[in-house]
Amino acid sequence: QKEVEQNSGPLSVPEGAIASLNCTYSDRGSQSFFWYRQYSGKSPELIMSIYSNGDKEDGRFTAQLNKASQYVSLLIRDSQPSDSATYLCAVIRAAGNKLTFGGGTRVLVKP
Amino acid sequence: NAGVTQTPKFQVLKTGQSMTLQCAQDMNHNSMYWYRQDPGMGLRLIYYSASEGTTDKGEVPNGYNVSRLNKREFSLRLESAAPSQTSVYFCASSEAWGRVNYGYTFGSGTRLTVV
Repeated sequence: QKEVEQNSGPLSVPEGAIASLNCTYSDRGSQSFFWYRQYSGKSPELIMSIYSNGDKEDGRFTAQLNKASQYVSLLIRDSQPSDSATYLCAVIRAAGNKLTFGGGTRVLVKP
Repeated sequence: NAGVTQTPKFQVLKTGQSMTLQCAQDMNHNSMYWYRQDPGMGLRLIYYSASEGTTDKGEVPNGYNVSRLNKREFSLRLESAAPSQTSVYFCASSEAWGRVNYGYTFGSGTRLTVV
């Protein structure tokens, strides 16, 4: 079992719709959770961080964390073609500050 | 407002050659990291440095060495390059307060091809 798992996609979403991305992790002691966006040929860019159960909203992005289910999700509201990218879920375990990444979900927003 | 700077951006090596990838950050972060990214494999940690003067192995350290030259700079060396080391290499830095890490900032990457 991989430490951090994501559906590789592609997730095809019409422009203006909500994109829903999911991520599960195996280490129950994980403390910090992040979503990164990576455009093709570019480096990962941090878009959301979440540390406690519940929802966290930032603009069109909402991160949701459920530690009991070991599940993190990202919602992108009013999806735009510029949101087309690969979204990486990343987790820091209880010990240390090392990020473990999922394989990423490719999102395609169609006009 | 440079953030994390990596050099070079592109490199082609012949099998057996050596090279050093350079990384510098200007955010006064304590921790620095080297990752490689391969299709279908995601980002994998090669080495990291929790603070100046310390380095530790990550998930895929074989064939690599690192040096934390000072708080700003963290270099990755390939002593004898192999085709399996063809990849995109990312350097990152982060800061943490207590148990809270505020996320990594990544450099723009080095695209390395070993022929």
